[in-house]
Amino acid sequence: AQTVTQSQPEMSVQEAETVTLSCTYDTSENNYYLFWYKQPPSRQMILVIRQEAYKQQNATENRFSVNFQKAAKSFSLKISDSQLGDTAMYFCAFIPYSGAGSYQLTFGKGTKLSVIP
Amino acid sequence: NAGVMQNPRHLVRRRGQEARLRCSPMKGHSHVYWYRQLPEEGLKFMVYLQKENIIDESGMPKERFSAEFPKEGPSILRIQQVVRGDSAAYFCASSPDGGGTTEAFFGQGTRLTVV
Repeated sequence: AQTVTQSQPEMSVQEAETVTLSCTYDTSENNYYLFWYKQPPSRQMILVIRQEAYKQQNATENRFSVNFQKAAKSFSLKISDSQLGDTAMYFCAFIPYSGAGSYQLTFGKGTKLSVIP
Repeated sequence: NAGVMQNPRHLVRRRGQEARLRCSPMKGHSHVYWYRQLPEEGLKFMVYLQKENIIDESGMPKERFSAEFPKEGPSILRIQQVVRGDSAAYFCASSPDGGGTTEAFFGQGTRLTVV
């Protein structure tokens, strides 16, 4: 079974600054995907960024980038030039590449990020 | 192209009543997943369905909960004789295939409140 841990229940950042959200996971799988989802007050789950475990290069999407450390089972999200619209809950999630449960996302408990004007 | 549509957005039920939550997947998507989000928690997998088939219901409580995805119409998550502990947000996601390589698109969820 997989577990995903987000150790920061809440964080805040000044507008235009950079913030890093932490995520660690535990799995015996070798191939898997990791995700960061954003959940604004509207409750919509929005995919922010995805990382494939067999790719060494860290994924980047505009102001969002990850630091993927496979050996350490760590997957942090960096948000640069923070904007007020980034205020949301952020969830780290894991899914194995194949086999049983390869369609089941396992989520962490989330980090509530507040961007301060 | 409309996204995953869930309705109602909010549902209030008294203890003992039935709750029916509906999910229409994105056009061209034949795989549906239901997740539950309890307060202050992440989403937890409940069930995975394809048209007319339940593929994996390992995350569903054994009693009172059922799900279907008929050949025509939306997927339905049904909770019979609701209790206070069923109060949560229920999310549906859909994908064109069931593998991990596919990005699952989520609906906006249904917030169930049991009074």
